[in-house]
Amino acid sequence: RKEVEQDPGPFNVPEGATVAFNCTYSNSASQSFFWYRQDCRKEPKLLMSVYSSGNEDGRFTAQLNRASQYISLLIRDSKLSDSATYLCVVKDSGNTPLVFGKGTRLSVIA
Amino acid sequence: DAGVTQSPTHLIKTRGQQVTLRCSPKSGHDTVSWYQQALGQGPQFIFQYYEEEERQRGNFPDRFSGHQFPNYSSELNVNALLLGDSALYLCASSFGTPGYTFGSGTRLTVV
Repeated sequence: RKEVEQDPGPFNVPEGATVAFNCTYSNSASQSFFWYRQDCRKEPKLLMSVYSSGNEDGRFTAQLNRASQYISLLIRDSKLSDSATYLCVVKDSGNTPLVFGKGTRLSVIA
Repeated sequence: DAGVTQSPTHLIKTRGQQVTLRCSPKSGHDTVSWYQQALGQGPQFIFQYYEEEERQRGNFPDRFSGHQFPNYSSELNVNALLLGDSALYLCASSFGTPGYTFGSGTRLTVV
């Protein structure tokens, strides 16, 4: 079983749609949680950290359920510029590496 | 303020050859981590260097080795290249946790 599993995608949605990505992780000791965005042939960039209480950044909302070991990302009012691959990332405490999911590709269509 | 710099950006090598990839961390960062990202996959952790020592290592064979220099820059070496080593190699620097900054990567093609 992979440490971080994501929806396989791809997701093709019209502009203005709401889209949700789901992610599960296997290591219950994971302490930090993130969503990264990766544009085609570019490096991953941090989109947002995910906190237990849930957090929002503009059109983006992230949720964490530690009991279910489940992370989600909701994008409201999708823009063409949101087209990218979204990577779910977890990390243990201390000097441990980031563990990435396979990513889910989103295409927002005009 | 320069971010993470990786070189070269693209590279083509033949099976069996050796390759060296380079990374200069973001100013103020002292830790360098290397990741391999195959097409259609998420980045996979190779190893992490801190104070010129390999601090952690992922599930990669000994053909993958590295080095960190006193100025915190780092090299990734891969020996006896296989076709399956074709990937985007990403360097990420940090100071403390989590604060990772990724370079734009080196795209290695093995033919």
